[in-house]
Amino acid sequence: DAKTTQPTSMDCAEGRAANLPCNHSTISGNEYVYWYRQIHSQGPQYIIHGLKNNETNEMASLIITEDRKSSTLILPHATLRDTAVYYCIVRVVSNTGKLIFGQGTTLQVKP
Amino acid sequence: GAVVSQHPSWVICKSGTSVKIECRSLDFQATTMFWYRQFPKQSLMLMATSNEGSKATYEQGVEKDKFLINHASLTLSTLTVTSAHPEDSSFYICSATPRGGARAMNTEAFFGQGTRLTVV
Repeated sequence: DAKTTQPTSMDCAEGRAANLPCNHSTISGNEYVYWYRQIHSQGPQYIIHGLKNNETNEMASLIITEDRKSSTLILPHATLRDTAVYYCIVRVVSNTGKLIFGQGTTLQVKP
Repeated sequence: GAVVSQHPSWVICKSGTSVKIECRSLDFQATTMFWYRQFPKQSLMLMATSNEGSKATYEQGVEKDKFLINHASLTLSTLTVTSAHPEDSSFYICSATPRGGARAMNTEAFFGQGTRLTVV
């Protein structure tokens, strides 16, 4: 699985969009970009994933650059409950469910 | 959505004793479950892959005799921390994937809520 690089921490004002970057310059053509988050003392929660097209769901949007070497997770209207560690994971889609977590970005949403 | 439940949510045990943590998939069958450990302010570290009906596969550096994994059914995997010591105190998390994969549910795996182990 390709290595990812994320900023250690970020702040965001409540109600504003939170943009979390992820670099994955060694991504392979068959690897997807996944985003999970972990609220303090809970198990990780799936957010979104994509291959090369931008994706949107009820939680967030995922913007992947054309060369696929980086991506941005966008939380359009951050709330205090979005304070969490956000993990960007690059991997080949499979049926195994195995995920290797990097250090992630700690997002602090402030009132 | 699919639910994975861990029990207990937290446990305190004395040094030298063993502790068993259960991971159950409540509404789907999981041929594969994973166990992670997370120390404070650190990321999740994969410990082992639990395969139903066969031996677990451990990641490098994880002692298989200390962290016993049993996956006796398609809905239950257990992790037993044997002869626990204070350095084993951690947050243990399991995940499970439905048979045939979870892509139809737009995720790779479903995670339990975690078990906080404190060894005193």
